[in-house]
Amino acid sequence: NAGVTQTPKFQVLKTGQSMTLQCAQDMNHEYMSWYRQDPGMGLRLIHYSVGAGITDQGEVPNGYNVSRSTTEDFPLRLLSAAPSQTSVYFCASRYSGSSTDTQYFGPGTRLTVL
Amino acid sequence: GQQVMQIPQYQHVQEGEDFTTYCNSSTTLSNIQWYKQRPGGHPVFLIQLVKSGEVKKQKRLTFQFGEAKKNSSLHITATQTTDVGTYFCAGDSNSGYALNFGKGTSLLVTP
Repeated sequence: NAGVTQTPKFQVLKTGQSMTLQCAQDMNHEYMSWYRQDPGMGLRLIHYSVGAGITDQGEVPNGYNVSRSTTEDFPLRLLSAAPSQTSVYFCASRYSGSSTDTQYFGPGTRLTVL
Repeated sequence: GQQVMQIPQYQHVQEGEDFTTYCNSSTTLSNIQWYKQRPGGHPVFLIQLVKSGEVKKQKRLTFQFGEAKKNSSLHITATQTTDVGTYFCAGDSNSGYALNFGKGTSLLVTP
């Protein structure tokens, strides 16, 4: 199993540009989520999904959209990038919505918005 | 809302010294998980504690869950340079699905 994969690994955008961060998992996990990590702020939840077709907002959802058309994929869209969205983005998945399940993280996407 | 607070934010030790990070929740948790993130890497699951007062060990690492299930600690005995990284605790959230992560404790170990 490849686990949780993310593309791209690095990205530089200009303010106002849009892009999609890709996330895929091959473990048949129902629950997937997106976090951003900023210095001193820990991991903050952006959006999450408890299954195909179901998504919900996390702690910091503004400026981001998600969809979950398949179990495997959970892309994160930035519609109009802003410098405040410069961060490291992690996708994560776990088998079910139970908080007792282990969460697996992807390698991250390092995004810079100029 | 539920919050998980973690202290200290940073810790710098000499190799061989012990290290402890503490995690406190404003509400009772059903379980707590610990993750380690190496510099430039991604968080990796270490362990989960579920029972009140539970203690688990992984070699030099000792994890404890408080009796009231509101706090937890990670203790590393005789740190090594391979222990460098950020340690996160995570508890369940109001949604019942998402995990609430503490802000992490960054450990630096110098030889």
